[in-house]
Amino acid sequence: RKEVEQDPGPFNVPEGATVAFNCTYSNSASQSFFWYRQDCRKEPKLLMSVYSSGNEDGRFTAQLNRASQYISLLIRDSKLSDSATYLCVVNKFVSWGKLQFGAGTQVVVTP
Amino acid sequence: DADVTQTPRNRITKTGKRIMLECSQTKGHDRMYWYRQDPGLGLRLIYYSFDVKDINKGEISDGYSVSRQAQAKFSLSLESAIPNQTALYFCATSDRFSSAGGLYEQFFGPGTRLTVL
Repeated sequence: RKEVEQDPGPFNVPEGATVAFNCTYSNSASQSFFWYRQDCRKEPKLLMSVYSSGNEDGRFTAQLNRASQYISLLIRDSKLSDSATYLCVVNKFVSWGKLQFGAGTQVVVTP
Repeated sequence: DADVTQTPRNRITKTGKRIMLECSQTKGHDRMYWYRQDPGLGLRLIYYSFDVKDINKGEISDGYSVSRQAQAKFSLSLESAIPNQTALYFCATSDRFSSAGGLYEQFFGPGTRLTVL
């Protein structure tokens, strides 16, 4: 079983709509959680960290459910520029950066 | 200029050849990492280094070696390339301290696309 699992998609979303997707992780001892964004054939970049209480950054909302071991990302008012692959990333440790990456969820925003 | 650079950006080589991928960073970070990315799989850690004298194997180090020549430089070598090492390779860096953007955010280079025939 993969340590971090994601629905690969693609999620086809009309411009202006809302899209949400989850990621599950297997290690209950995981300490910190992130969403990275990766454009086609480019390097991943941090989108946002995910905090226990849930957090929002503009049109993006991330939630963590420790009991069920999943994190979610919601994108409101989708823009064409939101088209990308979203990588779920989990860190087992607080104090150093050995990250476990999911394979990514592809989002395609259409006009 | 990019903070994390990788050379070459693309490389095609033959089975059995020795290949070196280079990574340089101007971010002043102590920690550097090498990953490979394959379709349908997440990034997988090959090697990581917390400082010049500290190098550690990741989850898929077989067939690879690394050298940390300086704080800013971390090279990945394939001693004898084989076709299943065809992949997109990323170098990344992180600070020893957490950042405002997230705990130990990693910053990635643009990647090297390696094809082994």
